[in-house]
Amino acid sequence: EDKVVQSPLSLVVHEGDTVTLNCSYEVTNFRSLLWYKQEKKAPTFLFMLTSSGIEKKSGRLSSILDKKELFSILNITATQTGDSAIYLCALKVYGGSQGNLIFGKGTKLSVKP
Amino acid sequence: ETGVTQTPRHLVMGMTNKKSLKCEQHLGHNAMYWYKQSAKKPLELMFVYNFKEQTENNSVPSRFSPECPNSSHLFLHLHTLQPEDSALYLCASSHDATSGVGETQYFGPGTRLLVL
Repeated sequence: EDKVVQSPLSLVVHEGDTVTLNCSYEVTNFRSLLWYKQEKKAPTFLFMLTSSGIEKKSGRLSSILDKKELFSILNITATQTGDSAIYLCALKVYGGSQGNLIFGKGTKLSVKP
Repeated sequence: ETGVTQTPRHLVMGMTNKKSLKCEQHLGHNAMYWYKQSAKKPLELMFVYNFKEQTENNSVPSRFSPECPNSSHLFLHLHTLQPEDSALYLCASSHDATSGVGETQYFGPGTRLLVL
């Protein structure tokens, strides 16, 4: 069965800290891995990763995929209170009978002033 | 057939019509979800059912009415929709919506809805 596991499930840090969020997976027919930030209701797309070892960056956020070890990390440097959210990792797979988008449970990040 | 299935895959309806979307999961899960994905917006969670009980309603307008007769089936009844309701409606399932352990949601292929 395809599986996406995120860790930690929740994390509390102080402003200025650097955090690393983890996403490990077991899927057949891997297509891409996506990171979302969810505040209140609507997830916001952050990154899509398809190739191993290529870091994607956007401001203080960066992410990288390791297709050999089957995981991805999302780094946030110099955290701010506005980074508080649930960070979701999702896998897109080719075909498959279980649908083509598989989400993890998410990591709830709380950044304290 | 295994996994999460949704019917119909495409639907065109007028603003005065009443239609229903159906979702079925064959994974033995206890939680089912409705999501809306608009063309220029990210995924929005609409409803959550856990063990047939609705546990979340994210301020969805009453023209969308969910129904979960059992853990395997989830419906979304639509009536008097607006053109801005046109979107991809995704159904998902997972073992238990309240599980504290890393929980994977499995998504269906979605129903592409167009409201004229």
